[in-house]
Order: sequence, then C-alpha cells, then structure tokens
Amino acid sequence: GAGVSQSPRYKVTKRGQDVALRCDPISGHVSLYWYRQALGQGPEFLTYFNYEAQQDKSGLPNDRFSAERPEGSISTLTIQRTEQRDSAMYRCASSSGLTSYEQYFGPGTRLTVT
Amino acid sequence: AQTVTQSQPEMSVQEAETVTLSCTYDTSENNYYLFWYKQPPSRQMILVIRQEAYKQQNATENRFSVNFQKAAKSFSLKISDSQLGDTAMYFCAFMKHEWNAGNMLTFGGGTRLMVKP
Repeated sequence: GAGVSQSPRYKVTKRGQDVALRCDPISGHVSLYWYRQALGQGPEFLTYFNYEAQQDKSGLPNDRFSAERPEGSISTLTIQRTEQRDSAMYRCASSSGLTSYEQYFGPGTRLTVT
Repeated sequence: AQTVTQSQPEMSVQEAETVTLSCTYDTSENNYYLFWYKQPPSRQMILVIRQEAYKQQNATENRFSVNFQKAAKSFSLKISDSQLGDTAMYFCAFMKHEWNAGNMLTFGGGTRLMVKP
C-alpha cells in the first residue's frame, strides 16, 4: 500500500498496562508526526521526527509518553502505565521533505483504557 | 504559540446549496500555511484545501474555496453545491513556514457539517 499505515487499529487495555502504537509512513518520507485526538476535538501535536532524530517532543503530555524512530522509517509511540485519560485516537502523519507542507495521515489507532 | 478557533460547533445545509465555515487564528508569524481538513464518519483525515499566507489570491479547489483575510486573521471555507458526501467534521489548521523548524499542524476544534437531502 502507498499510504501511511498504523497498527493496531483498535486497542483496549487495562489501566496500568503499557501500550505500543506503531506507524509505518509512506516510503521515503523524511518527516513523521504524532498527534492525539480526543473525541469531538481537533488533533493535538505530540512529537515529530526528521529521519531518526526526534526534533520536538514538546507536545508529549508527561514522561509516560515516549516515541522512537530508530531507522528513520517506522515509528513507535509508547505509553507506560496507561490511565483512563489516555483514551483517544492516536494519529500518525508523514511528509516528504523538511519543508513540505503536506502531511499524509494514517487511519489512527483508537486506544481505550478501561 | 498559535491558536485556531472555529466558532461554529455544528452547521447544516440543504443539498445543492452553499455553506461557509468560519475559522480565525492568532499568530505573530508572517509566513505560514492554512488548511482545511475533512474528517468523514470513517475518521480519515483528508486535505481539502490549503492557502499560503504570502498569496493574496484565495485558493480554490473545485466546489471548495476560501476567503483569506490576513489582516483580520480569518480563513473561512465556502462549499458550493453541497453534496451528501460533504457531511463530515471540518478542521481548520495552521502551519508555521520556517526552514527546519518543524511543520506541525495546530488544529481548531472542528465544525460538524451535515448536508440534508
């Protein structure tokens, strides 16, 4: 497939468990972004990468959230010790270059913490 | 920091008619992009239209056009000849245009548009 893919599409986890959300960007895309979207609201920026380097993590809510992109392609967003307030849609987007304005969004991972 | 405000949580329009969705933003930047994204019930994020701040001419994409007022920091979306498939959540978004500064998007809260037959 040519688009951004994310897995799993749906994740239900119990409070206190760790979860790992995966994003596979469009092949060759340099920049990768993570956003979080609560129900009925717009997406909010979490963090982004250029190649394998995490350039900005100012949007991560707290130190339970971390992200990596070790080989400059696939990225993983990890949430440790999940809480109910972490329930949301987590979206990944990629763009082709450092100055590219167009971001291509994946389908998102719907996380529910019970 | 930038903020984006969409003051209309919900709107409705009759099929084939025209509707305008409002968006205002606050920034001290001079170079930026503005976007409208569509999120249908499938929850995809689809880019509808973009506007570069340095361009005075309003962007147009088929039935979609914008009214960009830079001094007023206003960026409204007009949908002409509304179709049932236009029913969706619409998000206005801002992106700073600066080399290697990160092109993260700042989104508004969204407007839910329903097109009625």
